[in-house]
Amino acid sequence: DAGITQSPRHKVTETGTPVTLRCHQTENHRYMYWYRQDPGHGLRLIHYSYGVKDTDKGEVSDGYSVSRSKTEDFLLTLESATSSQTSVYFCAISGDTNYEQYFGPGTRLTVT
Amino acid sequence: QQQVKQSPQSLIVQKGGISIINCAYENTAFDYFPWYQQFPGKGPALLIAIRPDVSEKKEGRFTISFNKSAKQFSLHIMDSQPGDSATYFCAASVNTGFQKLVFGTGTRLLVSP
Repeated sequence: DAGITQSPRHKVTETGTPVTLRCHQTENHRYMYWYRQDPGHGLRLIHYSYGVKDTDKGEVSDGYSVSRSKTEDFLLTLESATSSQTSVYFCAISGDTNYEQYFGPGTRLTVT
Repeated sequence: QQQVKQSPQSLIVQKGGISIINCAYENTAFDYFPWYQQFPGKGPALLIAIRPDVSEKKEGRFTISFNKSAKQFSLHIMDSQPGDSATYFCAASVNTGFQKLVFGTGTRLLVSP
């Protein structure tokens, strides 16, 4: 998975609780992305980062926030989890010199 | 808003046959079209990608055909094998330094032995 790890890999949480997912890369790539994958929707971009402390919203950003304090780490936070945020979350990275985007192994999040 | 439409949703092909998955897009600013392969429990893996300045790209048994005027592109898997059984996603993006990939909804391919 191209030097990308995600933690935790599985999480069950209750509605209303905060949740933070972590993406860590060892490739020193500039760009990092968070996607969610749901049946019938493919993958949808939540937030992305184009550098340390530089982030922006994607297609489905409501209810999510992100932070990037180091090149290698990109955090996704659900401030108050809802059942509609039950999904598989993927982190991805890409570099400056080509278009290729590589994905991590994913985090399966269940909100009960 | 689905900007990339993918079909079929599922596909069963006999071993040795040709698998064909189609995608159509609306945004003429898209200039990068990758295909991803995903096995159960794994993240999507980049399979092959094409830019709109060429009409076809081949890597081994995998070929992308691109029709700019029709705003369509397709993945052909020649001599399909049971190990190709996976979900395939097409995607598109506008190159602005980073990629905001827009994905199709996926095609679940089953190659029967």
